[in-house]
Amino acid sequence: GAVVSQHPSRVICKSGTSVKIECRSLDFQATTMFWYRQFPKKSLMLMATSNEGSKATYEQGVEKDKFLINHASLTLSTLTVTSAHPEDSSFYICSASHPGPTNEKLFFGSGTQLSVL
Amino acid sequence: LAKTTQPISMDSYEGQEVNITCSHNNIATNDYITWYQQFPSQGPRFIIQGYKTKVTNEVASLFIPADRKSSTLSLPRVSLSDTAVYYCLVGDPNQAGTALIFGKGTTLSVSS
Repeated sequence: GAVVSQHPSRVICKSGTSVKIECRSLDFQATTMFWYRQFPKKSLMLMATSNEGSKATYEQGVEKDKFLINHASLTLSTLTVTSAHPEDSSFYICSASHPGPTNEKLFFGSGTQLSVL
Repeated sequence: LAKTTQPISMDSYEGQEVNITCSHNNIATNDYITWYQQFPSQGPRFIIQGYKTKVTNEVASLFIPADRKSSTLSLPRVSLSDTAVYYCLVGDPNQAGTALIFGKGTTLSVSS
């Protein structure tokens, strides 16, 4: 199946710094990518929908100035957590929408564990 | 988007068949039912998708009754490595750019 690569898999940063997470669709072009956040033993929560060449659409309650999303190409979307604080520590997962006639439409990255000290 | 309800947790032993039922009373005409598996600290992995009746692949079967208000994921002869969280989701896969909304999922624990 299609592959979505997410990098880094784990990052530790100091409070107040910014962290960038990359999500790449390796063998298909993804007009739309999605960013999720997951706390321990909780379900995935949709943060935003990222569309190539346009502004991201954020879910209610998600601060767009804190979680900057850029989808500059059909294979890359980035999530930047700005001025990170300990409460931003979480597991972040991206997914990409496959355009082809496949049974599986959404492919997920392996996630990024962010720990803010 | 249709809301889904699943059992929070299930326990099983190796070699047994496990059936996880999901209810989705408000499923729309164009919605499909998709099941994902997630291991700790990993992204969700696609298991199976269906619209009606029965779908089977190399890892699971999906049973969907005629009214489509529920569905059952069947895992034959589970092993310890099937211990994971299983999510049932409904949505229209032909709507480009439509996100999947995850419910709480079912935590399956398989023991020896």
